[in-house]
Amino acid sequence: GQNIDQPTEMTATEGAIVQINCTYQTSGFNGLFWYQQHAGEAPTFLSYNVLDGLEEKGRFSSFLSRSKGYSYLLLKELQMKDSASYLCAEKSNAGKSTFGDGTTLTVKP
Amino acid sequence: DTEVTQTPKHLVMGMTNKKSLKCEQHMGHRAMYWYKQKAKKPPELMFVYSYEKLSINESVPSRFSPECPNSSLLNLHLHALQPEDSALYLCASSHGTSGGNAGELFFGEGSRLTVL
Repeated sequence: GQNIDQPTEMTATEGAIVQINCTYQTSGFNGLFWYQQHAGEAPTFLSYNVLDGLEEKGRFSSFLSRSKGYSYLLLKELQMKDSASYLCAEKSNAGKSTFGDGTTLTVKP
Repeated sequence: DTEVTQTPKHLVMGMTNKKSLKCEQHMGHRAMYWYKQKAKKPPELMFVYSYEKLSINESVPSRFSPECPNSSLLNLHLHALQPEDSALYLCASSHGTSGGNAGELFFGEGSRLTVL
């Protein structure tokens, strides 16, 4: 995705913690979304940040630093079913969401 | 189960055919979207409708023609497509296009299009 950077692939072990980073352009910024997409399925919403700080939702947390144009998604107590693509998406003032290329996470036993 | 319904789930068409993809949501959302997704790539925005009016067209070729008959329905009319247009076409809706997490997208399961 244009101006949105996230790692292409990550591998982690079941039960571990993994952090997926995302950097984005800061002009016209109006929110940062994280989506999960399993192979062959549609993306599903995970989290939303518009103010600096950490948003926690069960095993998943998302952090935002607006001044740095940086976000991360933290997944705790990894399960095999967490193997998926994780998409960072920036929402602009114009109302459209632009997706990063996604990070493919593989969870191994 | 997704609350955004897309039909058909699969479509195979020739380059001279005319077909349509349909999308429906009953969540009272006022914004609806078409995205195109190729294998191992992120969704790419095509069109945004806000309050039944086209608000964003991401320079999509005219062989793709969107239509929003009412606030619950969104169509994508296809004509004279090329093989490179083969992809997963995702419809999404959101409460609105601005203001907080109103932009959270609810996706349908997609229509997988193959152009021969």
